[in-house]
Amino acid sequence: SAVISQKPSRDICQRGTSLTIQCQVDSQVTMMFWYRQQPGQSLTLIATANQGSEATYESGFVIDKFPISRPNLTFSTLTVSNMSPEDSSIYLCSAIKNPSGMYVDEQFFGPGTRLTVL
Amino acid sequence: GDSVTQMEGPVTLSEEAFLTINCTYTATGYPSLFWYVQYPGEGLQLLLKATKADDKGSNKGFEATYRKETTSFHLEKGSVQVSDSAVYFCALSDLNRDDKIIFGKGTRLHILP
Repeated sequence: SAVISQKPSRDICQRGTSLTIQCQVDSQVTMMFWYRQQPGQSLTLIATANQGSEATYESGFVIDKFPISRPNLTFSTLTVSNMSPEDSSIYLCSAIKNPSGMYVDEQFFGPGTRLTVL
Repeated sequence: GDSVTQMEGPVTLSEEAFLTINCTYTATGYPSLFWYVQYPGEGLQLLLKATKADDKGSNKGFEATYRKETTSFHLEKGSVQVSDSAVYFCALSDLNRDDKIIFGKGTRLHILP
């Protein structure tokens, strides 16, 4: 298994500012992801955080708005840049351990960071 | 592309009622299927999973069977409890798509005492 922690757990930010969310996993994982969950909605994948290289973004998300780092196998950050009220959401870090390479293993989730932009 | 469709909520049942939450999927490959649960104020956690056709995932009294012929993975429980009140997400993941998990929109379940 993997235990994922995120900091901060919540924040209230002003329009135009940026916030960096940290994600720490208690063991090495093969893949890390960042999701957004807007109120009453499902999870939307923002990007796959790649270790040592640029993240892979999903359609509708760009690096300038959501820069991501993953310096090692247990840590990643997501920055929400130049925030607007539309960015108010829960941001979730997740990770997969897939040691066999044959079957997709369980995807673990952090508790989420609740962001409110005024 | 790959997608997951699940029944819309909210679903409201009385305690000890039988539960079914429907889930169907579309995938080009041979995906693994999951049910995740999100209890109030908590993060997502895996409830059960199935990795191949006819597999049955089960946990906490919940079951779901991977039906390739109907591309379905319906969640069932014989007797629900108030503590089962949560949002349930059906999801799939396909190794051919870099292990990305695709979630359904979620179904909110309310159990009345």
